[in-house]
Amino acid sequence: GAVVSQHPSRVICKSGTSVKIECRSLDFQATTMFWYRQFPKQSLMLMATSNEGSKATYEQGVEKDKFLINHASLTLSTLTVTSAHPEDSSFYICSARGGGGELFFGEGSRLTVL
Amino acid sequence: GENVEQHPSTLSVQEGDSAVIKCTYSDSASNYFPWYKQELGKRPQLIIDIRSNVGEKKDQRIAVTLNKTAKHFSLHITETQPEDSAVYFCAASMGSQGNLIFGKGTKLSVKP
Repeated sequence: GAVVSQHPSRVICKSGTSVKIECRSLDFQATTMFWYRQFPKQSLMLMATSNEGSKATYEQGVEKDKFLINHASLTLSTLTVTSAHPEDSSFYICSARGGGGELFFGEGSRLTVL
Repeated sequence: GENVEQHPSTLSVQEGDSAVIKCTYSDSASNYFPWYKQELGKRPQLIIDIRSNVGEKKDQRIAVTLNKTAKHFSLHITETQPEDSAVYFCAASMGSQGNLIFGKGTKLSVKP
């Protein structure tokens, strides 16, 4: 199946700093990628849809100025958590659609904000 | 928008027994229903999916059924094994390119 790679897998940062997470489709081109957030023992909550070459579409309640998404190429989307605070600590996971429509996930990035 | 309800939230079975997880969806336009398995600290993995033009799909010990009229779909795992222990998520979307809306997950524990 298609491979989606996410980096870094873990990141610890101080409150007020910004953190960038990368999501790459390794063996296919992805015009659309999705960013999810997952709290412990909870489901995957869609944050935004990243579209190559255009602005991301954010879900209701997600601050676009806090969670900056850039999809500059067909194989790379980035999520930047700006001015991170402890409540932003979570598991962030990206995904991309394969040719058959199935969704493939990255490994996820666990963010801890001190 | 679409809303997906999943039950039960936790399920414990003995090895060799069957496990059934049920989901309902609200948007009758949804026509793609995948199931994902997520082990602790790992990414969700697609295990089986079904489209609205079929009522049932099987893959070895795993099967999924879909009732479009009632707007519910179920995951059936037979002859469960300890390695089946994980969190399972159902999801629904409109078309293969639409946003996937996930259920809240079911933590399955298979006891040896």
